[in-house]
Order: sequence, then C-alpha cells, then structure tokens
Amino acid sequence: DAKTTQPNSMESNEEEPVHLPCNHSTISGTDYIHWYRQLPSQGPEYVIHGLTSNVNNRMASLAIAEDRKSSTLILHRATLRDAAVYYCILRQTGANNLFFGTGTRLTVIP
Amino acid sequence: GAGVSQSPRYKVAKRGQDVALRCDPISGHVSLFWYQQALGQGPEFLTYFQNEAQLDKSGLPSDRFFAERPEGSVSTLKIQRTQQEDSAVYLCASTLSGPVGELFFGEGSRLTVL
Repeated sequence: DAKTTQPNSMESNEEEPVHLPCNHSTISGTDYIHWYRQLPSQGPEYVIHGLTSNVNNRMASLAIAEDRKSSTLILHRATLRDAAVYYCILRQTGANNLFFGTGTRLTVIP
Repeated sequence: GAGVSQSPRYKVAKRGQDVALRCDPISGHVSLFWYQQALGQGPEFLTYFQNEAQLDKSGLPSDRFFAERPEGSVSTLKIQRTQQEDSAVYLCASTLSGPVGELFFGEGSRLTVL
C-alpha cells in the first residue's frame, strides 16, 4: 500500500480555517487521494477525494500539489463538531481496501 | 434505516468464547467491507464482499476469523475461541458498486475479551 504521512495532532480555534497537511511522496499516477474523518465513537465518514485538480464540496476543500506528492485538506471555518481524527488515504486503482494509517487528531478550541 | 447498521454495539466475551457480529449494509449496496480498529489506531482491512462473493480475505488475522454474506445483503463476522488481542472495534462499511466508491461506515461493534 502506498503510504501517507500526517502530523499526529493539530489544534485550531473555533471559526478559523484549518489546513491539514498530508505527504504522499510515493503516489502513483492512478492513485486517488481520499480524506475520511472519524468523530469520537463513530465510524469513519467520507470527506472528499481528488486526483489532480483541487476539489471543493460542502464539507471541505482539497488542494493537491502540482507534483501530487502532497495535499492539504482545508476546513474553511472550524466548528466544535469538526473535532475528529482526519485520515488521508491513497486509493489505489483496483485495490479492495483503504489503508487508513493513524491520521491527524484535530482539536478545536472554543 | 438509511445507514449501515451494526449489532451488537458492545460485546464482552470471556477468552475462548465464540462471538458473532452482524452488519446490515445500506439497501442496494453491492460491496461490503469489514475493518478492525484497535485502540488509538486507524481501521485495518479484514475482508471484502461483492454481493455474496468474498473476493478478498487477505486481512483476516487468523483462521479463527470467518465472514459470510450468504444472500448478498446482511453479513456476519464470526470470531472463534476469542483471545484478548481480538479486543477492538469492528467496523462494517458498504458502497453502492465496486470498491472504488465512497465507503459508508457503521458505528462499529466494540468487542472486549476478558
């Protein structure tokens, strides 16, 4: 499985933007970049995914570096409900599973 | 229900007992996955079904773990002769088509083996 590297933890003040980084230097040309998050005592929840271009949806934005070796998940205004573990995952074409790693634990400070 | 449903939410077993964990995927979802999540770790893949066919069981840690989905809908994960290292949250996920789609996870079944 192609691996990703994320900081173990980050903090953000409520209502401020949050930039969660992810390094994936061994990404291959057909790997999609997926982000999931896991709130306490819940299963993971899909956030966003992309291949080459930046992506936006109602939850977040995904900024992908031109060489695709890194990406950043952007939460535009953090709320207390965004406190979770965020996983950056490379989805390999034809793979049956997602490799989650340990993710980044985001703490939102009121 | 609208989401993936798992039962029981909590299970305590004595070492050596057999346990069965149930997953009801979203109606119409073809693909179903089981993951194991140890405390403080990310989920780890166990097995994958497409309809009733188990296409990948490479993540099952031992032959004590068995999963089935006989009618292509509900799935059961069975663990025989449980051991303390089996203590974890077992997550089920489903997706509409093949493995490439967005995964919808249940809340998980927390197994504690004493």
